[in-house]
Formats: sequence, C-alpha cells, structure tokens
Amino acid sequence: GDSVTQMEGPVTLSEEAFLTINCTYTATGYPSLFWYVQYPGEGLQLLLKATKADDKGSNKGFEATYRKETTSFHLEKGSVQVSDSAVYFCALRGKGYSSASKIIFGSGTRLSIRP
Amino acid sequence: DAGVIQSPRHEVTEMGQEVTLRCKPISGHDYLFWYRQTMMRGLELLIYFNNNVPIDDSGMPEDRFSAKMPNASFSTLKIQPSEPRDSAVYFCASSLGLAGGQETQYFGPGTRLLVL
Repeated sequence: GDSVTQMEGPVTLSEEAFLTINCTYTATGYPSLFWYVQYPGEGLQLLLKATKADDKGSNKGFEATYRKETTSFHLEKGSVQVSDSAVYFCALRGKGYSSASKIIFGSGTRLSIRP
Repeated sequence: DAGVIQSPRHEVTEMGQEVTLRCKPISGHDYLFWYRQTMMRGLELLIYFNNNVPIDDSGMPEDRFSAKMPNASFSTLKIQPSEPRDSAVYFCASSLGLAGGQETQYFGPGTRLLVL
C-alpha cells in the first residue's frame, strides 16, 4: 500500500541555519504530495503541496520539489527562525479511486530552533 | 470563518466511562475526518464522512468507538467504555473535496483525552 517515510527527529538547529527534512514515498502512480505543520498545542495545517512531478511547492520560505525519479519530496528552508519550531508531517494522497480518499501521513519530524 | 471547532479541548475521565468528542466543520465542507494522534502510533485516520455519510471506518480501532454526523455542521466521536489506552489527542478535520485543489484538510485544535 501507499506509505510515507520521513526522517526521524528531533532535529535541532540554530537560528538562520539551513534546513532539510527528508521525505520519501511509495505509491501507485503519481500521488499528490503535501507538507503539513503542527505548532505546539494546535492542529495540523497545510504548509505546501505539489500535485505532479517536478512541481515545486513553496510557502513561508519553505520549499519542496516533487521528484518522481527518486520518489522524494524533501522540505527545505534557507534560514530557519525560532518561530519555525514545530512538528512537520509529510503526506500523500493517491490518485486511484480507492486510494484517493485518504491522506497518508508520515510519522512527523519535530524541529527545534535555538535562538 | 472560525475554522474547525472541537470540544472539549481537554477531557479527563476514568476507565469505563463514556466519552463524547464533538466537532463542527467549516461551513460548506463536504468531507469530515476524525484522527487520533499518539506518540507511539503517530497520526491515524479513524473514519471519514462525505455529506454526513460514513464512507470509510476501517481505522476505527474497535466496537467501543462510534462516530456520527447527524447534519452537515456537527459530528461526534464516542468511546464507550473508555480505556487508558484510548488516551490520545483526537483531531477533527474537514475539506471541500478529495481532489482538484479541494483536498486540503483543515484541522481543529484537537481534544486531549486522558483516561485514568
């Protein structure tokens, strides 16, 4: 079945450091890919998405490129801030009728940014 | 719009008691999802509804769990009887659709449940 694997946390960085959170997926066909973010005490919210190969999703300085050849959707940010401290979830939604119903989430990566 | 509203935000109960979690989706959203989040199992989809009809409840852990959506603006998730292993954060989410740019799910703030 479809699945998402993302790097385990926690990830701790200093402010203004470069961030990469790895995400790879297994799916039939070409799923839609997402990054959701969960700030402390809140629910998940969509950060960015890409719906086809080579698409780049971007928001709030974060970027991720849909790489079909490596089945990856790594999240990057050039200069992180303390306010980026949160848990980040990679997710996919399949294209087939039976698989399109569910968004499958990765296990989440906790990011902590030191001032 | 106020977003997805969940109540209560926190619930502490004793084993064996009935627990009812409530959700009000965003107006106009046709899909409603219930998730459970734990450290051990991460985020799990329990059940989802389309136009108030349950579509997939394969994630509901056992018969002690039940969910209803009597109208487009209200859903409940009930646990009876509750057990300590049900302790988790329960999220409700809603979306306009499942595809075509409408699949973004909007999450509520969650209900943190502790069963003693």
